[in-house]
Amino acid sequence: DADVTQTPRNRITKTGKRIMLECSQTKGHDRMYWYRQDPGLGLRLIYYSFDVKDINKGEISDGYSVSRQAQAKFSLSLESAIPNQTALYFCATSAAGQGRMFFGEGSRLTVL
Amino acid sequence: KNEVEQSPQNLTAQEGEFITINCSYSVGISALHWLQQHPGGGIVSLFMLSSGKKKHGRLIATINIQEKHSSLHITASHPRDSAVYICAASNTGNQFYFGTGTSLTVIP
Repeated sequence: DADVTQTPRNRITKTGKRIMLECSQTKGHDRMYWYRQDPGLGLRLIYYSFDVKDINKGEISDGYSVSRQAQAKFSLSLESAIPNQTALYFCATSAAGQGRMFFGEGSRLTVL
Repeated sequence: KNEVEQSPQNLTAQEGEFITINCSYSVGISALHWLQQHPGGGIVSLFMLSSGKKKHGRLIATINIQEKHSSLHITASHPRDSAVYICAASNTGNQFYFGTGTSLTVIP
């Protein structure tokens, strides 16, 4: 089983719909991240959390919200999806002081 | 200007060739990472290094701190090495800066 699991892996939705992407990890890491990847651009940080009660905005947080339900779970929500949120989304984890990041398999979201 | 720049953007090689992917960064870092992304989309960490050189199988990563430059080398390339290779820099605050990736295709 994967250490970092994302669901769903693929989703097609319509403009205006609410979407939630979920991430769970078995690494025991305290730090979790949500990134989006677009063709020709590097991974861009949406939100990150260093602990259950810690939520921080990344460089492109507008239109997104997150919830850290437990140390192992970090969800990303699009309250009202729009077409330019079509992208590949990655969840990642790391442990404080260790530096190395572990990624999920990605969730491909298409907003029509 | 991106904090992390990679070159080339695209690379096609014949099986068996020696491959080099370059990465330059402009930020202060605590570590430099090389990641691999296969066509299925998943991203795997290959190396994390803060100085010198690391080797894993046919892959070698080097870093020159003074020149703010890192290279990823693949010896005896194979079609299964075809993937996107991403360079990333991290600082002591665990903030990551990602390059846009190098798409490698190895032809049999």
